[in-house]
Amino acid sequence: KNQVEQSPQSLIILEGKNCTLQCNYTVSPFSNLRWYKQDTGRGPVSLTIMTFSENTKSNGRYTATLDADTKQSSLHITASQLSDSASYICVVSAGGGSYIPTFGRGTSLIVHP
Amino acid sequence: EAGVVQSPRYKIIEKKQPVAFWCNPISGHNTLYWYLQNLGQGPELLIRYENEEAVDDSQLPKDRFSAERLKGVDSTLKIQPAELGDSAVYLCASSQGGGGPYEQYFGPGTRLTVT
Repeated sequence: KNQVEQSPQSLIILEGKNCTLQCNYTVSPFSNLRWYKQDTGRGPVSLTIMTFSENTKSNGRYTATLDADTKQSSLHITASQLSDSASYICVVSAGGGSYIPTFGRGTSLIVHP
Repeated sequence: EAGVVQSPRYKIIEKKQPVAFWCNPISGHNTLYWYLQNLGQGPELLIRYENEEAVDDSQLPKDRFSAERLKGVDSTLKIQPAELGDSAVYLCASSQGGGGPYEQYFGPGTRLTVT
């Protein structure tokens, strides 16, 4: 069964600090991995997308990494801001002709001033 | 360019009543998705449309849920009758195509409360 596990479940950091969120998956065959940011009361918004051949992708202060061998991904947030407070969701899509997105439960990040 | 539009944003109904949600995807997007999201959980796919054809509805509880996308543009998701456990956020998303690197763009969701 395809699964996406995220850790930690929640995280509280001070403004200006860095943090790293983790995503482990068992989706096969692998097509791509996305990180989404979901603000409270809003729909998820894509931050990064990586295919099998990519091992890092940046979007401003967000940097995602992918290790397809160990089936792990991380999202690193640099110099956090109050507006980074949100849920971060890892989504892995299967390939092989049938498109099946598997969503993680998300990591809830709270940035305190 | 307008994003994915959903209405209503909030809906409160009594159990056993019917309810419908509407979604208008981004113009030109052939693929439309309906997701259910419980509090503290990631979205769960209910149904995916390629134009007007439902190509993946294995997670849709067909005894009470139905969906349609008659002209391959906007879509309606219906629940009849609603149960207490249906309280959740219903998200609609669209993409240019299904699968591959196509990004899904999500609407703001409809928060359903069943009392």
